[in-house]
Formats: sequence, structure tokens, C-alpha cells
Amino acid sequence: DAGITQSPRHKVTETGTPVTLRCHQTENHRYMYWYRQDPGHGLRLIHYSYGVKDTDKGEVSDGYSVSRSKTEDFLLTLESATSSQTSVYFCAISIGQEGDTGELFFGEGSRLTVL
Amino acid sequence: ILNVEQSPQSLHVQEGDSTNFTCSFPSSNFYALHWYRWETAKSPEALFVMTLNGDEKKKGRISATLNTKEGYSYLYIKGSQPEDSATYLCALVEYGNKLVFGAGTILRVKS
Repeated sequence: DAGITQSPRHKVTETGTPVTLRCHQTENHRYMYWYRQDPGHGLRLIHYSYGVKDTDKGEVSDGYSVSRSKTEDFLLTLESATSSQTSVYFCAISIGQEGDTGELFFGEGSRLTVL
Repeated sequence: ILNVEQSPQSLHVQEGDSTNFTCSFPSSNFYALHWYRWETAKSPEALFVMTLNGDEKKKGRISATLNTKEGYSYLYIKGSQPEDSATYLCALVEYGNKLVFGAGTILRVKS
């Protein structure tokens, strides 16, 4: 089973503060993703990574940055949190073979509330 | 980024009814189509990965078809049960293994 851990699982913060969410995988999967859950929109892609230091933007990347300094960790940072960033954030890894369009395996989600 | 549309937005059926929903997309410029099942307060779980025109996949009472030429995929549930209640998401895999999801179809099965 792919092991994926998100932290923190819950966070309440104030507008204007920086927030970092961490996604950690226990296997060496190349592709990692950050999505946010929004009512009426399903899951929207924020950023994704296709290798160490290799990242690309998704549909809703404004206000977010990411970093991947090692294979197992993918960090999502909100430089200055806003109320519109209140959401549940899901990390996912692609568990297909290299070059395959493998299915995603999701973490348990991180609920962020920006007051 | 490709636009993925799912219909209907929500569906309420009786236990035992068969149901189907649609995922539509504008072109065949993608590498695969995925279906996911997402129960409330849980994480999405993969149902099917489909790559070829005419692909048909089946898992128990759930099956899916893919038509890349006309730009749609159908998900069928035969004999719906209350435990099938969930949101069903489809996603397209674009170049670079970028996955873009539709808004989902919410299914509620009444016993």
C-alpha cells in the first residue's frame, strides 16, 4: 500500500499569516499533487510535481507556492493566507509505473480555516 | 487545461435502481481518463483507469465505457445500494501526467 501522510490535518489561522502544509510519501513515486476541495468544483489542481525540484502550476495556483527538495516530501505554502483559501487540501501521488497514467492515491486531507 | 464536465450534478435513486452518469470532454488530447469514488469525510478512491477508445472496465456492479472520438465516458451502477452513495469524479490525464477533475456527480441511494 502506498503510504502518504499529510500534516497538519487541521489548522486554524488568521488572514495574512503564512501557512505550510506537508505531504510525505514513504515510497519513491515520481508524481505528487496538491488539490483543494471546493463545493461545486470537485477537486481543483493547485500545483503538481514530476520530480525533485520539478513543479508546475495547476488551475488555481495564485496565492500558493510549492517546493519539493526530496522525493518523499511535497510542501504547499500559502504566503499570506486569505479567507478564500479556507478549504480542505488533498495531497495525492500517482502510483502507476513510470510513464503510465497511473491512478492517484490520496492523503486524508488537511482542513484549513482562515479567519 | 482541458474542461471536464460531469452530468448530472446530483442524482437520487431508490435501492435497486440502475443508474448512469456522464463525463464529457472537448477533445481527445489526453492520455487517460480516470473514475474515482468519494465518500463523505473520506478521500477519493480510484475506480477505473481507461486509456483506449472503446475501453470497457468493470468492478462488481460498477462499469465504465470510454468514447474518445465523441468525447464522453459513462459510469454505470447496476442495482444501486445505499453504500453506493458517494460523489463520483472523473479526471482527464493531460500531458505531463497532470490530472484535471470534473465537478463530480453526487449519488444518493435511498433504501
